Amino acid sequence: AQKVTQAQTEISVVEKEDVTLDCVYETRDTTYYLFWYKQPPSGELVFLIRRNSFDEQNEISGRYSWNFQKSTSSFNFTITASQVVDSAVYFCALSWAGGGADGLTFGKGTHLIIQP
Amino acid sequence: DVKVTQSSRYLVKRTGEKVFLECVQDMDHENMFWYRQDPGLGLRLIYFSYDVKMKEKGDIPEGYSVSREKKERFSLILESASTNQTSMYLCASIARDTSSYEQYFGPGTRLTVT
Repeated sequence: AQKVTQAQTEISVVEKEDVTLDCVYETRDTTYYLFWYKQPPSGELVFLIRRNSFDEQNEISGRYSWNFQKSTSSFNFTITASQVVDSAVYFCALSWAGGGADGLTFGKGTHLIIQP
Repeated sequence: DVKVTQSSRYLVKRTGEKVFLECVQDMDHENMFWYRQDPGLGLRLIYFSYDVKMKEKGDIPEGYSVSREKKERFSLILESASTNQTSMYLCASIARDTSSYEQYFGPGTRLTVT
């Protein structure tokens, strides 16, 4: 069975602070895919990134960066110099070899609050 | 611009009513999904479909059924709504052969069963 754990239910930081959202996953598959989605107050999920299990390179996109470590089964997400617009619920998700075409297993989400 | 639409943003139904939640995508995607989102539980997969008239159970199919008569439309049916089905329902779609593996989500339907 697959499982995604986001232990941080809620994080509150002051604007411009860096913040890391943790994601730990469990799977028996050797090929799998990891995702991060953002859900702003409007409610619609926004895709942020996908990583496959063979690609452990860290990724940076502007103020966002992701650290994938197979050894610890973690796929953490860091926002540098946070902004109020980053306030949202962030979900980490896992898919087996279908790459997402067979559905995603989501964590429970981390509610990130950026205070001005 | 890719689009997944859901028939209602908010819906209030009574216990025992039959409820239809409709989802339409305009991207010619083969695979479509229904998730349920509850506070503290994240999103959970109810049903998904690979193709017209095909359906597969997800993690929590009890109390739900689905219909996919046309490729672009995927309906979630609550045969007899109950209060524990009060939730946010999210539809998603993805192309079967894709390099991005991004599921596109609709805006959600917040269903209240009284």
